[in-house]
Amino acid sequence: DAKTTQPNSMESNEEEPVHLPCNHSTISGTDYIHWYRQLPSQGPEYVIHGLTSNVNNRMASLAIAEDRKSSTLILHRATLRDAAVYYCILSVSNTGNQFYFGTGTSLTVIP
Amino acid sequence: DAGITQSPRHKVTETGTPVTLRCHQTENHRYMYWYRQDPGHGLRLIHYSYGVKDTDKGEVSDGYSVSRSKTEDFLLTLESATSSQTSVYFCAITEWSTDTQYFGPGTRLTVL
Repeated sequence: DAKTTQPNSMESNEEEPVHLPCNHSTISGTDYIHWYRQLPSQGPEYVIHGLTSNVNNRMASLAIAEDRKSSTLILHRATLRDAAVYYCILSVSNTGNQFYFGTGTSLTVIP
Repeated sequence: DAGITQSPRHKVTETGTPVTLRCHQTENHRYMYWYRQDPGHGLRLIHYSYGVKDTDKGEVSDGYSVSRSKTEDFLLTLESATSSQTSVYFCAITEWSTDTQYFGPGTRLTVL
């Protein structure tokens, strides 16, 4: 399995940046790194993904280590609506793009 | 939401009865997936499909079967439901142009 390791929980103050870490030491050269988040009673929601280079979109930034064995999801200004479980996932391209979810990081945003 | 619907959204059934969950998509995506999520856990892949009549097993496929006779529909069947299959089931598709999976709203299944 393409495993990832994340802290179980993190807290952030509202309007401050949040850095969510993920370790994926078994990553192979063609595996993409995906981040999804899940609000209560909803399906996972796409946040961002990348292969080697850092990526930015309207929701977040993804910083990928040079050796690709770790990555960090950066929320630039946390809001209360960002409180969710965040999953770091590797997609294994030669197995039908299967996703292997871990238990994720539960982010609490403090007003 | 990539045009994904799941039906039913909630179901309560008894042990030993057959159950079929339906995933429907409107955008002609080739790859479709069924996951289950149990309390305190991430999603785990049950089965996936890479085309009409083409399916393969995921990491927790025991006790489940799938069928895909049309591009738009991916069915998950529990031939004889057990209490251990009480879970929330999510369907997903892959948008290949962005290498991104999009998930349906989920089906909450309770097996008594």
